[in-house]
Amino acid sequence: AQKVTQAQTEISVVEKEDVTLDCVYETRDTTYYLFWYKQPPSGELVFLIRRNSFDEQNEISGRYSWNFQKSTSSFNFTITASQVVDSAVYFCALRRGSGAGSYQLTFGKGTKLSVIP
Amino acid sequence: NAGVTQTPKFQVLKTGQSMTLQCAQDMNHNSMYWYRQDPGMGLRLIYYSASEGTTDKGEVPNGYNVSRLNKREFSLRLESAAPSQTSVYFCASSEQWVTGADTQYFGPGTRLTVL
Repeated sequence: AQKVTQAQTEISVVEKEDVTLDCVYETRDTTYYLFWYKQPPSGELVFLIRRNSFDEQNEISGRYSWNFQKSTSSFNFTITASQVVDSAVYFCALRRGSGAGSYQLTFGKGTKLSVIP
Repeated sequence: NAGVTQTPKFQVLKTGQSMTLQCAQDMNHNSMYWYRQDPGMGLRLIYYSASEGTTDKGEVPNGYNVSRLNKREFSLRLESAAPSQTSVYFCASSEQWVTGADTQYFGPGTRLTVL
Protein backbone atom coordinates (compact mmCIF):
# COMPACT_ATOMS: atom_id res chain seq x y z
CA ALA A 1 0.00 0.00 0.00
CA GLN A 2 1.11 3.52 -0.72
CA LYS A 3 1.22 6.11 2.00
CA VAL A 4 2.37 9.71 2.29
CA THR A 5 2.92 11.39 5.64
CA GLN A 6 3.23 15.13 6.12
CA ALA A 7 3.75 15.34 9.85
CA GLN A 8 3.67 19.15 10.00
CA THR A 9 0.04 20.20 10.00
CA GLU A 10 0.72 23.92 10.23
CA ILE A 11 3.86 26.06 10.13
CA SER A 12 4.21 29.80 10.68
CA VAL A 13 7.31 31.72 9.70
CA VAL A 14 8.22 35.36 9.48
CA GLU A 15 8.82 36.73 6.01
CA LYS A 16 12.35 36.13 4.68
CA GLU A 17 12.89 33.09 6.88
CA ASP A 18 13.69 29.75 5.26
CA VAL A 19 11.24 26.92 5.82
CA THR A 20 11.31 23.19 5.08
CA LEU A 21 8.19 21.11 4.56
CA ASP A 22 8.65 17.44 5.29
CA CYS A 23 7.28 14.55 3.27
CA VAL A 24 7.83 10.88 4.09
CA TYR A 25 6.44 8.17 1.85
CA GLU A 26 5.95 4.42 1.92
CA THR A 27 5.94 2.17 -1.11
CA ARG A 28 7.15 -1.27 -2.12
CA ASP A 29 7.66 -0.26 -5.72
CA THR A 30 11.06 0.37 -7.25
CA THR A 31 9.61 2.76 -9.80
CA TYR A 32 7.44 5.53 -8.50
CA TYR A 33 6.88 9.25 -8.82
CA LEU A 34 6.68 11.98 -6.22
CA PHE A 35 4.90 15.29 -6.60
CA TRP A 36 4.38 18.54 -4.76
CA TYR A 37 1.30 20.71 -5.25
CA LYS A 38 0.49 24.13 -3.82
CA GLN A 39 -3.04 25.15 -2.81
CA PRO A 40 -3.20 28.91 -2.20
CA PRO A 41 -6.11 30.49 -0.31
CA SER A 42 -8.00 30.86 -3.60
CA GLY A 43 -8.35 27.08 -3.59
CA GLU A 44 -6.90 25.81 -6.84
CA LEU A 45 -4.16 23.16 -6.91
CA VAL A 46 -0.96 24.19 -8.62
CA PHE A 47 1.59 21.63 -9.76
CA LEU A 48 5.12 22.38 -8.53
CA ILE A 49 7.35 19.42 -9.28
CA ARG A 50 7.49 15.76 -10.28
CA ARG A 51 10.37 13.45 -9.42
CA ASN A 52 10.97 9.85 -10.42
CA SER A 53 12.49 7.29 -8.08
CA PHE A 54 15.66 6.92 -10.13
CA ASP A 55 16.60 10.56 -10.00
CA GLU A 56 17.92 11.56 -6.60
CA GLN A 57 19.42 14.81 -7.72
CA ASN A 58 18.22 17.74 -5.73
CA GLU A 59 16.33 20.33 -7.72
CA ILE A 60 16.28 24.08 -7.37
CA SER A 61 13.81 26.44 -8.98
CA GLY A 62 14.26 30.00 -7.86
CA ARG A 63 13.54 30.13 -4.12
CA TYR A 64 12.21 26.57 -4.13
CA SER A 65 14.33 23.47 -3.69
CA TRP A 66 13.59 19.81 -3.22
CA ASN A 67 15.67 17.19 -1.43
CA PHE A 68 14.89 13.60 -2.42
CA GLN A 69 16.49 10.89 -0.27
CA LYS A 70 15.54 7.31 -1.01
CA SER A 71 17.49 6.06 2.02
CA THR A 72 15.04 7.83 4.34
CA SER A 73 12.02 7.74 1.96
CA SER A 74 11.75 11.49 2.12
CA PHE A 75 11.06 14.22 -0.40
CA ASN A 76 11.36 17.50 1.45
CA PHE A 77 10.58 20.94 0.10
CA THR A 78 12.44 24.07 1.15
CA ILE A 79 11.41 27.64 0.50
CA THR A 80 14.26 30.12 0.86
CA ALA A 81 13.56 33.71 1.91
CA SER A 82 9.84 33.07 2.27
CA GLN A 83 7.31 35.62 1.08
CA VAL A 84 3.69 36.28 1.97
CA VAL A 85 2.66 34.88 -1.42
CA ASP A 86 4.06 31.52 -0.32
CA SER A 87 1.23 31.20 2.22
CA ALA A 88 -0.70 28.12 1.13
CA VAL A 89 -1.36 24.49 1.86
CA TYR A 90 1.30 22.27 0.30
CA PHE A 91 0.60 18.68 -0.63
CA CYS A 92 3.07 15.91 -1.27
CA ALA A 93 1.80 13.02 -3.43
CA LEU A 94 3.01 9.62 -4.59
CA ARG A 95 2.16 7.58 -7.67
CA ARG A 96 3.14 4.06 -8.73
CA GLY A 97 5.22 3.78 -11.87
CA SER A 98 3.14 0.99 -13.32
CA GLY A 99 0.67 -1.72 -12.44
CA ALA A 100 -2.63 -1.65 -10.62
CA GLY A 101 -3.43 1.72 -9.16
CA SER A 102 -0.81 3.61 -11.12
CA TYR A 103 -3.50 6.03 -12.26
CA GLN A 104 -3.96 7.21 -8.70
CA LEU A 105 -2.17 9.94 -6.80
CA THR A 106 -1.87 9.20 -3.09
CA PHE A 107 -1.83 12.51 -1.25
CA GLY A 108 -0.54 13.46 2.15
CA LYS A 109 -2.84 15.53 4.35
CA GLY A 110 -1.01 18.73 3.56
CA THR A 111 0.99 21.31 5.46
CA LYS A 112 -0.49 24.76 5.90
CA LEU A 113 2.23 27.39 5.64
CA SER A 114 1.58 30.90 6.92
CA VAL A 115 4.16 33.56 6.15
CA ILE A 116 3.79 36.54 8.43
CA PRO A 117 4.88 39.93 7.12
CA ASN B 1 -5.44 27.86 -22.84
CA ALA B 2 -7.91 27.76 -19.97
CA GLY B 3 -6.53 24.41 -18.75
CA VAL B 4 -9.11 22.57 -16.66
CA THR B 5 -12.39 24.35 -16.00
CA GLN B 6 -15.17 23.32 -13.63
CA THR B 7 -18.74 24.48 -13.16
CA PRO B 8 -20.31 25.47 -10.91
CA LYS B 9 -17.86 27.02 -8.43
CA PHE B 10 -20.30 26.74 -5.52
CA GLN B 11 -23.47 24.73 -4.95
CA VAL B 12 -25.83 24.12 -2.07
CA LEU B 13 -28.13 21.10 -2.22
CA LYS B 14 -30.72 19.59 0.04
CA THR B 15 -30.44 15.95 1.04
CA GLY B 16 -31.83 13.77 -1.72
CA GLN B 17 -31.40 16.27 -4.54
CA SER B 18 -29.32 15.41 -7.57
CA MET B 19 -26.82 17.41 -9.52
CA THR B 20 -24.04 17.12 -12.08
CA LEU B 21 -20.62 18.71 -11.79
CA GLN B 22 -19.09 19.61 -15.11
CA CYS B 23 -15.43 19.48 -16.08
CA ALA B 24 -13.68 20.33 -19.34
CA GLN B 25 -10.05 20.49 -20.41
CA ASP B 26 -8.48 22.06 -23.47
CA MET B 27 -5.03 20.46 -23.23
CA ASN B 28 -5.90 17.49 -25.47
CA HIS B 29 -5.33 15.16 -22.53
CA ASN B 30 -6.47 11.57 -22.67
CA SER B 31 -7.03 10.89 -18.98
CA MET B 32 -9.35 12.67 -16.57
CA TYR B 33 -10.07 12.32 -12.87
CA TRP B 34 -12.47 13.37 -10.12
CA TYR B 35 -11.22 13.88 -6.56
CA ARG B 36 -12.82 15.08 -3.37
CA GLN B 37 -11.09 17.06 -0.64
CA ASP B 38 -12.38 17.03 2.91
CA PRO B 39 -11.15 19.29 5.75
CA GLY B 40 -7.74 18.23 7.04
CA MET B 41 -7.45 15.54 4.40
CA GLY B 42 -5.58 15.21 1.21
CA LEU B 43 -7.45 14.50 -1.99
CA ARG B 44 -9.10 11.14 -2.59
CA LEU B 45 -9.89 9.74 -6.03
CA ILE B 46 -13.56 9.14 -6.80
CA TYR B 47 -13.48 8.04 -10.45
CA TYR B 48 -11.12 8.29 -13.35
CA SER B 49 -11.24 7.91 -17.11
CA ALA B 50 -8.07 6.58 -18.68
CA SER B 51 -9.25 7.50 -22.17
CA GLU B 52 -12.38 8.53 -24.01
CA GLY B 53 -15.03 5.84 -23.62
CA THR B 54 -13.67 4.30 -20.42
CA THR B 55 -14.33 5.00 -16.76
CA ASP B 56 -13.25 3.22 -13.58
CA LYS B 57 -13.79 3.49 -9.86
CA GLY B 58 -11.24 5.07 -7.61
CA GLU B 59 -10.91 4.97 -3.85
CA VAL B 60 -14.30 6.45 -2.85
CA PRO B 61 -16.86 5.87 -5.67
CA ASN B 62 -19.99 5.17 -3.63
CA GLY B 63 -22.81 7.64 -4.26
CA TYR B 64 -21.35 8.95 -7.51
CA ASN B 65 -21.56 8.26 -11.22
CA VAL B 66 -19.47 9.66 -14.05
CA SER B 67 -19.72 10.18 -17.78
CA ARG B 68 -16.87 10.77 -20.17
CA LEU B 69 -18.87 12.72 -22.71
CA ASN B 70 -16.00 13.16 -25.17
CA LYS B 71 -12.25 13.69 -24.97
CA ARG B 72 -12.65 17.13 -23.42
CA GLU B 73 -15.46 16.62 -20.92
CA PHE B 74 -15.88 14.46 -17.81
CA SER B 75 -18.91 14.93 -15.57
CA LEU B 76 -19.62 13.75 -12.03
CA ARG B 77 -23.19 13.08 -10.93
CA LEU B 78 -24.65 12.83 -7.47
CA GLU B 79 -27.97 11.00 -7.83
CA SER B 80 -29.22 11.50 -4.27
CA ALA B 81 -27.01 13.88 -2.34
CA ALA B 82 -26.14 13.16 1.30
CA PRO B 83 -24.53 15.44 3.92
CA SER B 84 -21.46 13.16 3.82
CA GLN B 85 -20.89 14.38 0.26
CA THR B 86 -20.27 17.93 1.45
CA SER B 87 -16.79 18.52 0.11
CA VAL B 88 -14.66 20.34 -2.42
CA TYR B 89 -14.55 18.49 -5.71
CA PHE B 90 -11.60 18.73 -8.06
CA CYS B 91 -11.35 17.59 -11.62
CA ALA B 92 -7.93 16.85 -13.09
CA SER B 93 -6.50 15.75 -16.41
CA SER B 94 -3.25 14.23 -17.62
CA GLU B 95 -1.77 13.36 -20.94
CA GLN B 96 -1.91 9.58 -20.44
CA TRP B 97 -1.91 7.60 -17.24
CA VAL B 98 -0.28 4.49 -18.76
CA THR B 99 2.65 5.11 -16.49
CA GLY B 100 2.82 7.11 -13.33
CA ALA B 101 5.12 9.54 -15.07
CA ASP B 102 2.50 11.88 -16.32
CA THR B 103 1.40 14.87 -14.34
CA GLN B 104 -2.17 15.62 -13.31
CA TYR B 105 -3.33 19.21 -13.69
CA PHE B 106 -6.23 20.36 -11.58
CA GLY B 107 -9.23 22.59 -12.07
CA PRO B 108 -10.25 25.32 -9.62
CA GLY B 109 -12.66 23.10 -7.67
CA THR B 110 -16.38 23.08 -6.85
CA ARG B 111 -17.41 23.69 -3.26
CA LEU B 112 -20.53 21.61 -2.55
CA THR B 113 -22.64 21.79 0.59
CA VAL B 114 -25.41 19.28 1.23
CA LEU B 115 -27.89 20.31 3.93
